[in-house]
Amino acid sequence: NAGVMQNPRHLVRRRGQEARLRCSPMKGHSHVYWYRQLPEEGLKFMVYLQKENIIDESGMPKERFSAEFPKEGPSILRIQQVVRGDSAAYFCASSTTGATTEQYFGPGTRLTVT
Amino acid sequence: QQPVQSPQAVILREGEDAVINCSSSKALYSVHWYRQKHGEAPVFLMILLKGGEQKGHEKISASFNEKKQQSSLYLTASQLSYSGTYFCGTAEKLVFGKGTKLTVNP
Repeated sequence: NAGVMQNPRHLVRRRGQEARLRCSPMKGHSHVYWYRQLPEEGLKFMVYLQKENIIDESGMPKERFSAEFPKEGPSILRIQQVVRGDSAAYFCASSTTGATTEQYFGPGTRLTVT
Repeated sequence: QQPVQSPQAVILREGEDAVINCSSSKALYSVHWYRQKHGEAPVFLMILLKGGEQKGHEKISASFNEKKQQSSLYLTASQLSYSGTYFCGTAEKLVFGKGTKLTVNP
């Protein structure tokens, strides 16, 4: 059973460009979470999604950031008009049910904005 | 509200024990524990769902005191492989603490 897949693993964008981060959950998992981690800091919750639904986006910045988890295909975290402060590691995790079950993390996407 | 972890960092010699605490100012309904090694993804250790619950995996165990709104992670006879940053997370809002950096030296 393949684990959580994320791609790309590393992404370099110039300021003002768009970044698209993809996450394929573990087989059988219908809940996806996105986290951001700055160097030497903890994981900051961004958004929690189920198929076709955003359950909790309280950790998402109000502008430039959006997330989706379509019926078919991976979950996507989209950052428009990136700025240097967006440089971070973005992890996605998946679980079988809601927040009271263990989450399995993907390897992360390291975004660098130049 | 982010749970508070203590200590922020701890250095051990192989074979020593350590305790990492996690407390919250809000009611805790469940607690997750994860370990992250440098440059890698966090790895699930255990989840505690009920007050008074205790769990263990090899020489790592945890307890959950619902009344005191706190959980503790116990590492016994530490091994070099235990080095990493340990995070506790509260499940109701999926909020993680800032982490405790554990270093185990030979």
